[in-house]
Amino acid sequence: GAGVSQSPSNKVTEKGKDVELRCDPISGHTALYWYRQSLGQGLEFLIYFQGNSAPDKSGLPSDRFSAERTGGSVSTLTIQRTQQEDSAVYLCASSLAGVGRETQYFGPGTRLLVL
Amino acid sequence: DQQVKQNSPSLSVQEGRISILNCDYTNSMFDYFLWYKKYPAEGPTFLISISSIKDKNEDGRFTVFLNKSAKHLSLHIVPSQPGDSAVYFCAASARSKLVFGAGTILRVKS
Repeated sequence: GAGVSQSPSNKVTEKGKDVELRCDPISGHTALYWYRQSLGQGLEFLIYFQGNSAPDKSGLPSDRFSAERTGGSVSTLTIQRTQQEDSAVYLCASSLAGVGRETQYFGPGTRLLVL
Repeated sequence: DQQVKQNSPSLSVQEGRISILNCDYTNSMFDYFLWYKKYPAEGPTFLISISSIKDKNEDGRFTVFLNKSAKHLSLHIVPSQPGDSAVYFCAASARSKLVFGAGTILRVKS
């Protein structure tokens, strides 16, 4: 596609429920990243996929968070047993090769509100 | 710990004047720096970048300066336009993942 797309654009859920957020990267980009932005904060790295390599999960805040990338393209970020502090904008980005000194292109984000 | 800091939460500039946004970092391993611009309800949009081997990169109205010894970079926008009003994020990279500052809200008054 022309750019990174994410769905849903907004999600409201109740505390304790599971949510799935989807990201479609730019066609041909081998690297995919998830970040989140909490209110008044900068973007916080969550997880990074590069080709067929094992993902870098070092930014995931707890074991309630997981992500997968099927077929080297679409990625799903899953949050289990959501908590109110999970409320944030979840942003996905992709880049061509996932090496250093490379621009990451962002999607519009999914705004998650946990009540 | 905050490895990338944008100490000014907001900046207000008159149209036509220069906007200067600042960013400081602590990790000497960072070798690539980027500025992103973000409008409400949209994802960040890449603006300009600079490699650690350079001290200046220019693209139209936008110039980024890097002072490695001071671990400081700045974004200059001249002349500033009302459409430049947005949140500006500084980001730094050591390998692949980006570390972002908290952002500076720029408001350009006409």
